[in-house]
Amino acid sequence: LAKTTQPISMDSYEGQEVNITCSHNNIATNDYITWYQQFPSQGPRFIIQGYKTKVTNEVASLFIPADRKSSTLSLPRVSLSDTAVYYCLVGSQAPGGSYIPTFGRGTSLIVHP
Amino acid sequence: EPEVTQTPSHQVTQMGQEVILRCVPISNHLYFYWYRQILGQKVEFLVSFYNNEISEKSEIFDDQFSVERPDGSNFTLKIRSTKLEDSAMYFCARRGPTGELFFGEGSRLTVL
Repeated sequence: LAKTTQPISMDSYEGQEVNITCSHNNIATNDYITWYQQFPSQGPRFIIQGYKTKVTNEVASLFIPADRKSSTLSLPRVSLSDTAVYYCLVGSQAPGGSYIPTFGRGTSLIVHP
Repeated sequence: EPEVTQTPSHQVTQMGQEVILRCVPISNHLYFYWYRQILGQKVEFLVSFYNNEISEKSEIFDDQFSVERPDGSNFTLKIRSTKLEDSAMYFCARRGPTGELFFGEGSRLTVL
């Protein structure tokens, strides 16, 4: 299972763009990169998933360079409600095999007024 | 709207008592996970359940834990004899086509 490294914490201000980078040097060919958001006392919430290049949805963008050894979650114009822990996970479901999404400590983002 | 509904939202129990936590998927899915999160700690994998059988389980998932899908819809996690250290949030999740997880809102278990 590919190990991921991301900053423990980040601070930002309302209205700014926030970029959280995750390193996954030993990502496998079939692995997807998935990001989750978690608020206190709630379950992690799926934000975005990608395999290569760029993915964008209504919540965030995910940038993945060609070597796929890192990825960057981009949150445009954050608000106070974006204060949460953000997790980067890497892995895949092999045909007929099992996959255990494993959460690390994540990045604690605090958005200030 | 959550992908899965969990009940109860909060349960307080005495040490040694049995607890059953329930997970109800919104639609028919085959692959589910249970995770737990002790206050201030990481989200930890407990067990995965595929097509009515345990697929994988962690070291945490010892003999006092069990999972089943008794009626083909509800998916339960049972803790036979609770300990103080079982106090945590317990999350059920269903898996999407590329391994992404969709979590329920969780059940908070407090063991006194």
